[in-house]
Amino acid sequence: DTAVSQTPKYLVTQMGNDKSIKCEQNLGHDTMYWYKQDSKKFLKIMFSYNNKELIINETVPNRFSPKSPDKAHLNLHINSLELGDSAVYFCASSLGQGASYEQYFGPGTRLTVT
Amino acid sequence: DQQVKQNSPSLSVQEGRISILNCDYTNSMFDYFLWYKKYPAEGPTFLISISSIKDKNEDGRFTVFLNKSAKHLSLHIVPSQPGDSAVYFCAANEAQYTGTASKLTFGTGTRLQVTL
Repeated sequence: DTAVSQTPKYLVTQMGNDKSIKCEQNLGHDTMYWYKQDSKKFLKIMFSYNNKELIINETVPNRFSPKSPDKAHLNLHINSLELGDSAVYFCASSLGQGASYEQYFGPGTRLTVT
Repeated sequence: DQQVKQNSPSLSVQEGRISILNCDYTNSMFDYFLWYKKYPAEGPTFLISISSIKDKNEDGRFTVFLNKSAKHLSLHIVPSQPGDSAVYFCAANEAQYTGTASKLTFGTGTRLQVTL
């Protein structure tokens, strides 16, 4: 059983479109995250949710909107996609909020905007 | 501004020898450090961590050393095995977040290749 799953694995779309990436964890964790890994391999946190509440919101454009319908899911919706949004997006989860709680990552979604 | 730096993009080590991966940081507010390992087409997996109150943490073949005065940490893998071939990311968390949230800052990774 996959602990943290993301769909789709690959996403190719045109500029200006709106797309969503879904994330689900079956670990019973309270905290979930979205990370972006850009072409220079920097892995940066975008959002963090704890018990469906937003706790970290980095300087991410408003076009990115996370939604947590329940503790097991954290979806990422992106409006008006731009070329610079091309990256690998990783979802992660952890039992608690602090850094000492191990984060479990999903396999990533490679988004290509043309 | 790159607060966590892994200056060696790649490292090749023979099986059975020691692998040493290095990481430097600039933010003196970092107080918790982690190493993650990543295989192609997979997400990173947690390897080992260390709090700033310690200077060493060991877990089997993996040891992390922290030198706070030099703002430097290193990961030692002894003995190295072919299955250790992966990209290793160093990450750090700021003190203001450590107890309440995890806002990790990652390095760009070092690709380790363990040869036979």
